[in-house]
Amino acid sequence: GESVGLHLPTLSVQEGDNSIINCAYSNSASDYFIWYKQESGKGPQFIIDIRSNMDKRQGQRVTVLLNKTVKHLSLQIAATQPGDSAVYFCAEKLGHSTLTFGKGTMLLVSP
Amino acid sequence: DSGVTQTPKHLITATGQRVTLRCSPRSGDLSVYWYQQSLDQGLQFLIQYYNGEERAKGNILERFSAQQFPDLHSELNLSSLELGDSALYFCASSSPEGVNTEAFFGQGTRLTVV
Repeated sequence: GESVGLHLPTLSVQEGDNSIINCAYSNSASDYFIWYKQESGKGPQFIIDIRSNMDKRQGQRVTVLLNKTVKHLSLQIAATQPGDSAVYFCAEKLGHSTLTFGKGTMLLVSP
Repeated sequence: DSGVTQTPKHLITATGQRVTLRCSPRSGDLSVYWYQQSLDQGLQFLIQYYNGEERAKGNILERFSAQQFPDLHSELNLSSLELGDSALYFCASSSPEGVNTEAFFGQGTRLTVV
């Protein structure tokens, strides 16, 4: 389940489970959203993006859902693997503005 | 490999000193962004350059400055360093228009101030 740790919310799942990571974004006018994955000691890595004119977008094993009514973004990872263990950040953008990142969620996958 | 190169990977320096972090963006990217990530914190936007000109400023301290050179590489200068400046510093770049395009991040420079 999901729990709040000292600094980052943490989601612990078993290998093979589906994971859902949630994000509340701040600007109702934001028109572009990205999920990034950051492994320990590395830079954030692009996973999937979605524009505000869409509600859902699917990639390989990942799906992003956007609910503009409540300013909510979620990342679903199917058949979670140990290699998915990382911190996941959502980011929002409006037009040419810079990306604004959320606090991040740590995903821990147990074999 | 994102195509964004940052040097050095690690830097240890004393309080009061000045350091320069370097970033080479992806080939063809005109925008460079600098972010600071403290322990267990999110990514805090510092500053953006676009084709040599400052485009946007975030929570960047006056002791910090940056520039982007004609060859599009960028440097972040941190001066009068304090213990609290210890963090990961990331550079990212994006395609020329920067609208609805993701930013690609380097591996970061880990700065430790002792």
